[in-house]
Formats: sequence, structure tokens, C-alpha cells
Amino acid sequence: KQEVTQIPAALSVPEGENLVLNCSFTDSAIYNLQWFRQDPGKGLTSLLLIQSSQREQTSGRLNASLDKSSGRSTLYIAASQPGDSATYLCAVRRFNAGNNRKLIWGLGTSLAVNP
Amino acid sequence: DTEVTQTPKHLVMGMTNKKSLKCEQHMGHRAMYWYKQKAKKPPELMFVYSYEKLSINESVPSRFSPECPNSSLLNLHLHALQPEDSALYLCASSLRDADTQYFGPGTRLTVL
Repeated sequence: KQEVTQIPAALSVPEGENLVLNCSFTDSAIYNLQWFRQDPGKGLTSLLLIQSSQREQTSGRLNASLDKSSGRSTLYIAASQPGDSATYLCAVRRFNAGNNRKLIWGLGTSLAVNP
Repeated sequence: DTEVTQTPKHLVMGMTNKKSLKCEQHMGHRAMYWYKQKAKKPPELMFVYSYEKLSINESVPSRFSPECPNSSLLNLHLHALQPEDSALYLCASSLRDADTQYFGPGTRLTVL
């Protein structure tokens, strides 16, 4: 059974710091992995999707890496800003023919960037 | 148009009411999803429609009834809900199954 863990559960950093959020999964047979951001009481915003054949994806100040063999993904945020404050969720899609639509979610990392 | 819209934003209903949630996208996506999210928890998948056909029902109680009238529209009909059904209901869509999912802003549902 695939399980997804995100560490730390909460993180508070000063503005300008570079930071890393971690996501680990127990079954390396994944189809892809997606990082989302959620502001309080709002919907989710897709940040990056990494296919199982890829090692990393970049978008602006965000870089996500994937190491299937170790069951890990990291989300790197460069030069953090107060507007980056949100909950970051990692979700893995299983590689299971016929049912690879379902995302398996971590519990998220709540990030606070202080001015 | 690159967004998923949901109406209403907020809904308060009694346990005997019947109401519906609406979700719309005009991105040409052929997979659409309903999720339920409780505070400080990740979203829980409820239903998946693929090419307007229900492909996944995650053992959701029959008081929740999904409908996909066309490729752009997804409804969730609610009847005889319980207070524990109060949550944020999120709709999402993707080009196909297993592609990037795009979420709407959600409907905050309160059942009294």
C-alpha cells in the first residue's frame, strides 16, 4: 500500500531564505508526482508535476526533484517571500493499470514566511 | 480560459434539504473529479468522471449523487446530508486521467 509522508509538518522561516520541503513515498512504482499549494480555505493550485521518467521540474523560483529509488521528492523554494506562505501538498499517482487516476496524498507542510 | 469554477462558494443546508453543487471548466479536459476536504487534511477523492462516464466511486454514501451532463459540467447533488458532511468540496479537472489536475476554489458546505 502506497503511503506518502511530508516532513516537516510545519515550517517558519524569515523572508529571503532558500528552503526545502520533503515528500517520501513507500512504493517506488509511481506514475507521476505532483506538488500543490493551498491557501487557507481555498482550492489547490498545481505547482509542478514530475513524470516517473523525469528527475526534476522547474517553474520560476520552484524546483522539484524526484528520486524513485529512494522514494523521495523535494520541493526547493528559492528566495522565499511572505506570499509563499501556504500549505504545500505532495501527491503520488500509482502506476497501476486501470486505476492510476487516484492521487495518494501527504498531509502537507504548512509554511510561514515572515517579513 | 484556464480555470475551474465552482458555485456556490458557500452553502448552508439543513439535513432534509436538497441542494446541488456545480463545477464548470472550458479547457477541453475529459476527466473531472469531486473531492471532499476536512480542515487540516488532504483532499479525499469521491468520484471520477472520464469522458462523461463515472469511472471511480470511492464508496461514497448515496446521499451524494454525481452527474456529468456534458464534458464541461459536473454536478454534485446533495440530499439528506449529515452534520459530519460539512467540509470544503473541491472539483478538479485534467486533460485525461493521470494528467495534471486543476482545482476549483471549492464550495464550503455547512450542514445544520
